[in-house]
Amino acid sequence: EVQLVETGGGLIQPGGSLRLSCAASGFTVTRDYMSWVRQAPGKGLQWVSVIYSAGSTYYADSVKGRFTISRDISKNTIYLQMNSLRAEDTAVYYCARESPGGLKGVLDIWGQGTLVTVSS
Amino acid sequence: SYELTQPPSVSVSPGQTARISCSGDAFPKQYAHWYQQKPGQAPVLVIYKDSERPSGIPERFSGSSSGSGTTVTLTISGVQAEDEADYYCQSTDSRGTYPYVFGTGTKVTVL
Repeated sequence: EVQLVETGGGLIQPGGSLRLSCAASGFTVTRDYMSWVRQAPGKGLQWVSVIYSAGSTYYADSVKGRFTISRDISKNTIYLQMNSLRAEDTAVYYCARESPGGLKGVLDIWGQGTLVTVSS
Repeated sequence: SYELTQPPSVSVSPGQTARISCSGDAFPKQYAHWYQQKPGQAPVLVIYKDSERPSGIPERFSGSSSGSGTTVTLTISGVQAEDEADYYCQSTDSRGTYPYVFGTGTKVTVL
């Protein structure tokens, strides 16, 4: 079964750091484009970052320079390292896979999400 | 930045048709995809490439593009109570600078 499971969320003080993990099963993360998408409480979806199969990475302007996406081939897992966290980073963070096979931009598999709360 | 605009809410009676619009300057050059999100759950893909339906999605969900215009539409025919959810369109800008842009979201209420 194709599945994504996020872990690592929690309560963190402003200025702190947190690393989210997204473990994949049923497919190999290095062959597909993998993204992080977040949703602040009561708000809409916001794309955060992507790591392409070749390893290149891109970020939303709001997190550029603070967040880093990476992957571990041996664990078939992607990560989101979040530094200098702000209250406005409070959200449920989802990882998602872009559908392979030429369906550019289509996010076909989503994890259940992990909640990050930035507060003192 | 690039924006996709949706109406905040749509209300429909059971069995009727709900239509949700999504406006963006890059349409029709870029495809639109649609996601359904129920409270406390992750988004689920319901339409991709303007009008294609993934396996397992009911036929009452359909999508269309205006052809030459800058609006795409998600249509839910014969709405059922279980269709009450938030719906988001998603696309990219004309240059691909912003690879994944989500619409503002529409709350569909089944009366």
